[in-house]
Amino acid sequence: QVQLVESGGGVVQPGRSLRLSCVASGFSFNNYGMHWVRQAPGKGLEWVAVIFYDGSKKYYVDSVKGRFTISRDNSKNTLYLQMNSLRVEDTAMYYCARDLSPLIVGGTDGMGVWGQGTTVTVSS
Amino acid sequence: QSALAQPASVSGSPGQSITMSCTGTSSDIGSYDLVSWYQQHPGKAPKLMIYEASKRPSGVSDRFSGSKSGNTASLTISGLQAEDEADYYCCSYAGSSTYVFGTGTKVTVL
Repeated sequence: QVQLVESGGGVVQPGRSLRLSCVASGFSFNNYGMHWVRQAPGKGLEWVAVIFYDGSKKYYVDSVKGRFTISRDNSKNTLYLQMNSLRVEDTAMYYCARDLSPLIVGGTDGMGVWGQGTTVTVSS
Repeated sequence: QSALAQPASVSGSPGQSITMSCTGTSSDIGSYDLVSWYQQHPGKAPKLMIYEASKRPSGVSDRFSGSKSGNTASLTISGLQAEDEADYYCCSYAGSSTYVFGTGTKVTVL
């Protein structure tokens, strides 16, 4: 079945780095744009980043620009989020999500498949 | 990019209909029909309920409907059921391949 499984979360000190992974299965990963969305404890959802289906373009929310990098390896059906210079305010559950429809350039019609999330805690 | 404004809570009795709003600006909701709605039960991942403002993905109950007018989108749940109790988030395309979520609405079934 269609599935996304995140991993790589953990507890890290401010200023350190962490890399999250999201392994996809059950669909043609290389045909879908992918997103990272986060949710701080007790708070709402926040879109973090998107990468087009072919990896050609990447976009970020202003608060992570220059610190986070989204990437993908279509040969491994895996999405990544490299998080550098982590801050306390980056503490959250991080979800990967897939575009509802394939081969989208520009705006997604919706995030149709979600992983279960991985928790990142930034604390000294 | 500021979060879209949603009421903090909405409630209704079983069988009733409720509607929640999602207010943005002319830079997001007002410019694009790429508004989606997500349901999130406690401790669970979000689930897509409405896409492109008014379309339902396969498998989503037809009790859920969406609409958009100007800078505001709305989600209506008709025939409210106990299982509909959850948090609901809207999301809009904001141009330049960026997105903004709403503040979230907690739905309580009385």
